[in-house]
Amino acid sequence: DGGITQSPKYLFRKEGQNVTLSCEQNLNHDAMYWYRQDPGQGLRLIYYSQIVNDFQKGDIAEGYSVSREKKESFPLTVTSAQKNPTAFYLCASSIRGRVDKNIQYFGAGTRLSVL
Amino acid sequence: GDSVTQMEGPVTLSEEAFLTINCTYTATGYPSLFWYVQYPGEGLQLLLKATKADDKGSNKGFEATYRKETTSFHLEKGSVQVSDSAVYFCALPLLTQGGSEKLVFGKGTKLTVNP
Repeated sequence: DGGITQSPKYLFRKEGQNVTLSCEQNLNHDAMYWYRQDPGQGLRLIYYSQIVNDFQKGDIAEGYSVSREKKESFPLTVTSAQKNPTAFYLCASSIRGRVDKNIQYFGAGTRLSVL
Repeated sequence: GDSVTQMEGPVTLSEEAFLTINCTYTATGYPSLFWYVQYPGEGLQLLLKATKADDKGSNKGFEATYRKETTSFHLEKGSVQVSDSAVYFCALPLLTQGGSEKLVFGKGTKLTVNP
């Protein structure tokens, strides 16, 4: 079955530690996205990528980094510079970057907590 | 800038009640409009969409009509079920400075349907 797989489902970060969230898709989509979800704040865009080896900052990129070395993979690293990382992280993809024409498909999310 | 505003939740209804979740938007031109749904513990999935003014999107008994006169895209369902309990997000596409597009989401409205 085609879809988006995020792992792990739950992740705990210690003070000063970098952690990486995995996102893999087998939908052959060009565009991929990372969102952060906090209670009562909806979704906020962290980073997005329209094509391999290229990505752009979203609205809240500070303290995060990404890479897009393969079409099917878009990992997100939460660095120690992100002082409030506790949130639900969602990865999404779409066929192209034209969001008005191309539906975004979401993974099941990773819940990150700070120890 | 372009944005969406949803009614604040949470909304609690009894089974078979009528549902309305309000969504208004601010945008340049007439973008496509979307409703996404997030069931407990899952990622988001597209519920319905409308691509131009006066279009009606529908799916699973839910409907929303794109009304340019009132800049609204309210979500309605005539008879809700317990299985409709979820968080609902209104969204519209936004063209970024880099020329690509992203989705702007409302803050979400949590619906709980009691038997």
